[in-house]
Amino acid sequence: EDQVTQSPEALRLQEGESSSLNCSYTVSGLRGLFWYRQDPGKGPEFLFTLYSAGEEKEKERLKATLTKKESFLHITAPKPEDSATYLCAVTLGDSWGKLQFGAGTQVVVTP
Amino acid sequence: EAGVAQSPRYKIIEKRQSVAFWCNPISGHATLYWYQQILGQGPKLLIQFQNNGVVDDSQLPKDRFSAERLKGVDSTLKIQPAKLEDSAVYLCASSRDRDEQYFGPGTRLTVT
Repeated sequence: EDQVTQSPEALRLQEGESSSLNCSYTVSGLRGLFWYRQDPGKGPEFLFTLYSAGEEKEKERLKATLTKKESFLHITAPKPEDSATYLCAVTLGDSWGKLQFGAGTQVVVTP
Repeated sequence: EAGVAQSPRYKIIEKRQSVAFWCNPISGHATLYWYQQILGQGPKLLIQFQNNGVVDDSQLPKDRFSAERLKGVDSTLKIQPAKLEDSAVYLCASSRDRDEQYFGPGTRLTVT
């Protein structure tokens, strides 16, 4: 069965304390891996799409990387406004557009 | 560019009642999705439309859920009758090319 697992479930960071979130997947025929950010009471906000192992993308303090089995979201020198739930999702080649989400990592950054 | 609009934002109903949610996607986006997000979980796809047609509704509980997309633009999702386990946030998303999906704010449904 296709699965997307995120770890840790929750992460508490001091402002400036860099860390990484993990998304591991056991699917066949991966088309793309997506990272979203979700704030309380809001819908997910698109961050990145990764298509092939070795690919990296950056946006401000966030950097996403992809291997054949997992993806990492690195948060460098986080600020309190980076507090959110970060969701990972995959799409498969035979079900293009159907996002399969993990449960998310809740990140809290304290001043 | 205006984002995905959804209404209502909140709804409280009793079990066995019916409810409907409305979604207006980003202009020009041919693909529209409805997701269900239960507290503490990631969103789960219920149905995907490409223009007027249904692409995937394999996870839609068809005995109680229905959805339509009028003229390839707005969409409604209906639940009839509602059960306690339908309490969740219902998210609508749209995309131009079926890769990057943009989500609306969601409708929080509470079934009592």
